[in-house]
Amino acid sequence: EVQLVESGGGLVQPGGSLRLSCSASGFIFSSHAMHWVRQAPGKGLEYVSVISSNAGSTYYADSVKDRFTISRDNSKNTMYLLMSSLRPEDTAVYYCTSSAYYEYYFDYWGQGTLVTVSS
Amino acid sequence: EIVMTQSPATLSVSPGERATLSCGASQSVTSNLAWYQHKPGQAPRLLIYGASTRATGIPARFSGSGSGTDFTLTISSLQSEDFAVYYCQQYNHWPRTFGQGTKVEIK
Repeated sequence: EVQLVESGGGLVQPGGSLRLSCSASGFIFSSHAMHWVRQAPGKGLEYVSVISSNAGSTYYADSVKDRFTISRDNSKNTMYLLMSSLRPEDTAVYYCTSSAYYEYYFDYWGQGTLVTVSS
Repeated sequence: EIVMTQSPATLSVSPGERATLSCGASQSVTSNLAWYQHKPGQAPRLLIYGASTRATGIPARFSGSGSGTDFTLTISSLQSEDFAVYYCQQYNHWPRTFGQGTKVEIK
């Protein structure tokens, strides 16, 4: 059974940093691209970032570019999102998702981890 | 950025009835369109990709159609477990974008 489990969310002050993790099991992690998608309270889904299977390619939405860094450790079946210079508008549930290829739709999702940016 | 527009925002349907959800793109996304089901507190679930291909394990009552800018998700006979929010998403252009969702509720 495929499982994606996010962790690392919590309350952080504006301007602070937080690192999210996504632990994967049940599929060949090293052959899948991995993504982050977020959902602010009462809002729809917003695409955040992607990392290719070998970490050679990444992409960031304009709203997080230069503040967030996506990475992965294929030996640990884990993806990360380092979030810096956090703003109140970054408050959201962050979901990790997988895709068979960098350009593809999202085949599996985690249940999400809540990040709250507030003083 | 491609804007995805879903209608209606809320759809009230009785169990056993048919539900038709619409999704429009601000420019062509060819057939690179996916549909997801999302229930509160759960992980979203892939239903349809390539505009019309059901994902593994998805019941045949779910069907997708369309190409270019206009897409439809049809649930032929709503079951109790189908009441949820449904999102369309394009994966033809960067950034990937989602519609704002259609909530399917019990009438």
